[in-house]
Amino acid sequence: GESVGLHLPTLSVQEGDNSIINCAYSNSASDYFIWYKQESGKGPQFIIDIRSNMDKRQGQRVTVLLNKTVKHLSLQIAATQPGDSAVYFCAPGRDSSYKLIFGSGTRLLVRP
Amino acid sequence: EPEVTQTPSHQVTQMGQEVILRCVPISNHLYFYWYRQILGQKVEFLVSFYNNEISEKSEIFDDQFSVERPDGSNFTLKIRSTKLEDSAMYFCAAGQTQETQYFGPGTRLLVL
Repeated sequence: GESVGLHLPTLSVQEGDNSIINCAYSNSASDYFIWYKQESGKGPQFIIDIRSNMDKRQGQRVTVLLNKTVKHLSLQIAATQPGDSAVYFCAPGRDSSYKLIFGSGTRLLVRP
Repeated sequence: EPEVTQTPSHQVTQMGQEVILRCVPISNHLYFYWYRQILGQKVEFLVSFYNNEISEKSEIFDDQFSVERPDGSNFTLKIRSTKLEDSAMYFCAAGQTQETQYFGPGTRLLVL
């Protein structure tokens, strides 16, 4: 079956530093990946997505890197702010399916 | 940023009762989804809805569940006879494309 794993359940960074959140996936047939941020008591918030034919995509203060060879993604957040504190999920998807597969997430804590 | 809204924010019901959870996607969204998240667990896919019909559903989405888009704007999830294990956060998601799923804030359902 499909599974999504995360290397670190909790990541603590200093405000202003860059954060790197990692994600491993098992299904090599994944066509795209979406990163979500979930704050306590709220729904997952779309951050950025990347197609499997790309290896890098940049957004506002975020960069996602995809390494299909080792089935690994990372989300880099530049100049981490207190408002970035949340649980981050990478969710793979396939063009042949509508569902996203969520892992257990990485909690990002930003120290002031 | 596109915003999906959900009502109610909280719902308490007795086991065996029917509940209807409501979602209002953005008007130009074409793809609609329900996910749920049991406390402390992963976000799980329930069902996707496209072109006025169910496009995919998970094993969780059994005969007790149904979805409807009665008036072209609201998207509802009905649970006919709730069970204790249905207690969870239920998230509606919607998007213009299959790859972009924007989540609502969720409805917290508690079955007593």
